[in-house]
Amino acid sequence: DGGITQSPKYLFRKEGQNVTLSCEQNLNHDAMYWYRQDPGQGLRLIYYSQIVNDFQKGDIAEGYSVSREKKESFPLTVTSAQKNPTAFYLCASTTGGNSPLHFGNGTRLTVT
Amino acid sequence: QQQVKQSPQSLIVQKGGISIINCAYENTAFDYFPWYQQFPGKGPALLIAIRPDVSEKKEGRFTISFNKSAKQFSLHIMDSQPGDSATYFCAASMEYGNKLVFGAGTILRVKS
Repeated sequence: DGGITQSPKYLFRKEGQNVTLSCEQNLNHDAMYWYRQDPGQGLRLIYYSQIVNDFQKGDIAEGYSVSREKKESFPLTVTSAQKNPTAFYLCASTTGGNSPLHFGNGTRLTVT
Repeated sequence: QQQVKQSPQSLIVQKGGISIINCAYENTAFDYFPWYQQFPGKGPALLIAIRPDVSEKKEGRFTISFNKSAKQFSLHIMDSQPGDSATYFCAASMEYGNKLVFGAGTILRVKS
């Protein structure tokens, strides 16, 4: 089955540590996205990439970094510079054209 | 303005009733308006979408009504069922499926 795999489902880290969230897709989609979900705030765009080796900041990129070395993979690093990292992180992809946005099942990050 | 305003924040409907969720936008360049459904612990999934050249789109029990002059669109769920209990997000973008701007979400509970 084609889809988007995010791992792990739950992640716990101590404050001050960097952490990397995995996102892999086998849909052959060109564009990939990272959203952050907080209660009552909807989904906010962190970073997106429309082709390999290229990515752009979204609305809340501060404290985050990404890479896009392979079409299938778009990992997100939450750095110690992110002031409030505890959230539900969603990865998505689309091939554009008539293709809708497909989401993974998310990673819930808790930083204490 | 990139914001999409969604209301109500939460909604309780009796089984068999009609659920109505409203969204408003400011950016007249938006040309794609999807609705996503999200169950707890899962990523959002596309439910139904509309382009501004039509005023209504129906898929089964789900209908989007679109008012271009008022810059508003709404989701109607007819014959609401307990299985419809989920969080619903409206969204908008200037490119099909890409860089979606999401509303804050509506938590729907259908009582049996």
